[in-house]
Amino acid sequence: QVQLEESGPRLVKPSETLTLTCTVSGDSIHNSPFYWGWIRQSPGKGLEWLGSLFYSGTNYYNPSLRGRVSISADTVKNQFSLTLTSVTAADTAVYYCGRDGLKVVPLTQVDSWGQGVLVTVSS
Amino acid sequence: EVVMTQSPATLSVSPGQRATLSCRASQSVGTNLAWYQHKPGQAPRLLIYGAFTRAAGIPVRFSGGASGTEFTLTITRLDSEDFAVYFCQQYNDWPRTFGQGTNVEIK
Repeated sequence: QVQLEESGPRLVKPSETLTLTCTVSGDSIHNSPFYWGWIRQSPGKGLEWLGSLFYSGTNYYNPSLRGRVSISADTVKNQFSLTLTSVTAADTAVYYCGRDGLKVVPLTQVDSWGQGVLVTVSS
Repeated sequence: EVVMTQSPATLSVSPGQRATLSCRASQSVGTNLAWYQHKPGQAPRLLIYGAFTRAAGIPVRFSGGASGTEFTLTITRLDSEDFAVYFCQQYNDWPRTFGQGTNVEIK
């Protein structure tokens, strides 16, 4: 059974870059048929999909983030990371990583999730 | 983007009773609709995908329905472990979008 765990700084200053890492166990990112993605939930709001990555480099991103987001993989460590630049208070949220697509069908349900990590943007 | 609207925001139900949750899409998403259960401090859990198909290990008391752009999640005979937030998600069009969630609480 695949398990995912988010890690990274819990506090980020405005205008700086937020970086989170998701460690995968029970599946291998390399050669996996799955996409790996990030989703967040801001306080009092619904869930927002941020982007997804396939290990060979194909990415999909939510256009609402206007180019501030990127996702990359470290197949040796079996991890993938989220980078969000120029953060503001509006980026304060619980960030989840998940397994969320297939190579042949990139747009599918999210079949496994991490527990999430709260990141606060504040000076 | 496709807007997903869930109702009600909160549903108070007694254990052993039936709960029906609704999710409406702002445009057709076919049957590319999933339901998730989320308890505080835990990872969300996939319940239903393809609008009707239970994910592996999900009890039969959970069932999904669909009619056009209206989707339902029905939980027959609520168990104490079923009190949680439930949210829907469409994966017919990019970007994936989610509903705001329905909190199923003990009456």
